[in-house]
Amino acid sequence: DGGITQSPKYLFRKEGQNVTLSCEQNLNHDAMYWYRQDPGQGLRLIYYSQIVNDFQKGDIAEGYSVSREKKESFPLTVTSAQKNPTAFYLCASSRLAGANTGELFFGEGSRLTVL
Amino acid sequence: GNSVTQMEGPVTLSEEAFLTINCTYTATGYPSLFWYVQYPGEGLQLLLKATKADDKGSNKGFEATYRKETTSFHLEKGSVQVSDSAVYFCAFESGEYGNKLVFGAGTILRVKS
Repeated sequence: DGGITQSPKYLFRKEGQNVTLSCEQNLNHDAMYWYRQDPGQGLRLIYYSQIVNDFQKGDIAEGYSVSREKKESFPLTVTSAQKNPTAFYLCASSRLAGANTGELFFGEGSRLTVL
Repeated sequence: GNSVTQMEGPVTLSEEAFLTINCTYTATGYPSLFWYVQYPGEGLQLLLKATKADDKGSNKGFEATYRKETTSFHLEKGSVQVSDSAVYFCAFESGEYGNKLVFGAGTILRVKS
C-alpha cells in the first residue's frame, strides 16, 4: 500500500545527543514536510522540501537539520542545539501540481523524549 | 500574520448529539481550507476541504462551509458517534511556499456512549 512510513515510533535520548528521525514515502510526491506537535499548540512547520536536493526552513527550524538526497526520503535530525526537543514529530508529503495539491498525507509520527 | 483560531477543547458530547467546532482564520486572499482529524496514536488525515468561497466540504457525515465574509470554516456533524472521538485540526493553505499549511491548535472531541 502507498503511504508514509516514519521510524522509530518512540525514541528516547539523553541531553546533548543528536538523533535522526526517518521518513519514507512511496506516493511519488514531490514535496515533503516535517511538523512538530506540542499539546495545545497544534502543528508547527520545521522544514519542507519541494524537490530533491533542495529544502527550506519553516517557522521553527532552529536546532534541526534535514536532507533530501532522494525523492522518497526526508530524514530529520534533532541536534543538541534544540532547546526543547521532547515532542511528537510528524512527516507529511504532497503533490505540487495538478489536482488536490493542498492535501497533505501524514505518517503516524515519532515521539521523541529527552531524558 | 497568518493564523487559525479554533474553539478550545476538550468538547465532550453524548452519542447522537450535534457537533460544532468553530474555526476562523487570518490570511491574505482566499486560501483553500481544510479539516484534518487525528485519531489516538496516529498521524493526521484529511477529513474535508473547500477551495473557494461558499463551497461546502463534506465527508463521513461532517460538513464545513467556506464563509468568506466571516473568514470562518466551522465543522459540523448532526449525530456524533463514539468512534468520532479524536483531535480535529482546522488549516489553510498559505500559498507563500506552495503547499505550506497553517494549522490551528486542534480541538479534542470526546464522545460518550
